[in-house]
Amino acid sequence: GQNIDQPTEMTATEGAIVQINCTYQTSGFNGLFWYQQHAGEAPTFLSYNVLDGLEEKGRFSSFLSRSKGYSYLLLKELQMKDSASYLCAVRDSNYQLIWGAGTKLIIKP
Amino acid sequence: IAGITQAPTSQILAAGRRMTLRCTQDMRHNAMYWYRQDLGLGLRLIHYSNTAGTTGKGEVPDGYSVSRANTDDFPLTLASAVPSQTSVYFCASSGASDTGELFFGEGSRLTVL
Repeated sequence: GQNIDQPTEMTATEGAIVQINCTYQTSGFNGLFWYQQHAGEAPTFLSYNVLDGLEEKGRFSSFLSRSKGYSYLLLKELQMKDSASYLCAVRDSNYQLIWGAGTKLIIKP
Repeated sequence: IAGITQAPTSQILAAGRRMTLRCTQDMRHNAMYWYRQDLGLGLRLIHYSNTAGTTGKGEVPDGYSVSRANTDDFPLTLASAVPSQTSVYFCASSGASDTGELFFGEGSRLTVL
């Protein structure tokens, strides 16, 4: 079966750095996405990786290793507004998205 | 700028009733999707449409139906609601971008009693 694993919850301090991991086992691979979802709101697109390596976008970076079935989202200089759930999703060989359950990130002052 | 609009935002209905969740997008995206989101679970695909006039079943299609008469609209119908269909429903669309990322509506919170 297809599976996406990510931690259920993480806590970090304002101004610090946090890394949210995602491991996947899917039927084929056509890209990995990270979305941010604030409580009670819709998911919004953060990043996309299809090749191995690091993609940087401001305070957020996303890394992919296809051989290890592994990705992480790195958030730097954490702000209180970064408190949200972070969803990892993989597009499989049928171009369908397989979603992880999400990681709830709590930022403390 | 509207993007994707869902209605209603929230609804409580009795089991056995028929309910249609509406979804309209103004981005001229070909592909549209309906997901449900339940606590502790990832987003689960109910139905999708790759282009107007075509629909397909997702991971959890039972008890739901969709239609795609035109590019903009993609309604989701629960023919006879059951309590297990209590959930938050998200409509999404994707266009011809490099990544094919999804754009989501604000969600419809449905409670079936």
